[in-house]
Amino acid sequence: DAGITQSPRHKVTETGTPVTLRCHQTENHRYMYWYRQDPGHGLRLIHYSYGVKDTDKGEVSDGYSVSRSKTEDFLLTLESATSSQTSVYFCAVSGTDETYEQYFGPGTRLTVT
Amino acid sequence: GIQVEQSPPDLILQEGANSTLRCNFSDSVNNLQWFHQNPWGQLINLFYIPSGTKQNGRLSATTVATERYSLLYISSSQTTDSGVYFCAVVRGGQNFVFGPGTRLSVLP
Repeated sequence: DAGITQSPRHKVTETGTPVTLRCHQTENHRYMYWYRQDPGHGLRLIHYSYGVKDTDKGEVSDGYSVSRSKTEDFLLTLESATSSQTSVYFCAVSGTDETYEQYFGPGTRLTVT
Repeated sequence: GIQVEQSPPDLILQEGANSTLRCNFSDSVNNLQWFHQNPWGQLINLFYIPSGTKQNGRLSATTVATERYSLLYISSSQTTDSGVYFCAVVRGGQNFVFGPGTRLSVLP
């Protein structure tokens, strides 16, 4: 499982509140990613990181920000959650010395009421 | 950007049957992976296969990069094979683009 954990695994929050999701990896992967998965849209990239403090936007970045202050942690923040951000959020990693194979965390189910 | 198509969108099989899932992509790619999302939502790596053929038990995959497609073969299917199969590709950098998936149901 490439040593990836996500927290929390489930969260219910109200519209307008800030939310932070955490991804933690233990195997020194260079790249880290945040995706959201919604019915009818598959997996879509929100933001990714290619190193500590190096991040960039993905396909659906509006309303989200990220930070990576340590190799092992990648945070996704919803500054003011909206109902359209109700989704399942997956963290992924890739990039070791041998391969750029991508591995996924277990996911976080977020409900914004 | 690169487009990824998967076929068929849905597939229903009886246990023990064989199947072939296809992934077409619109441009040359550096990497290609197949994933299985089980009914509990977990995404499991099946193959990392930018080119060539690989086998892992009852599953095998072939990528023909020059013709921009990849095939996933499932033999002697089991109910535990049910779920959604995704193809994902990378063209430049390390940003994966996912196909829409093939939903497989294996009936006992």
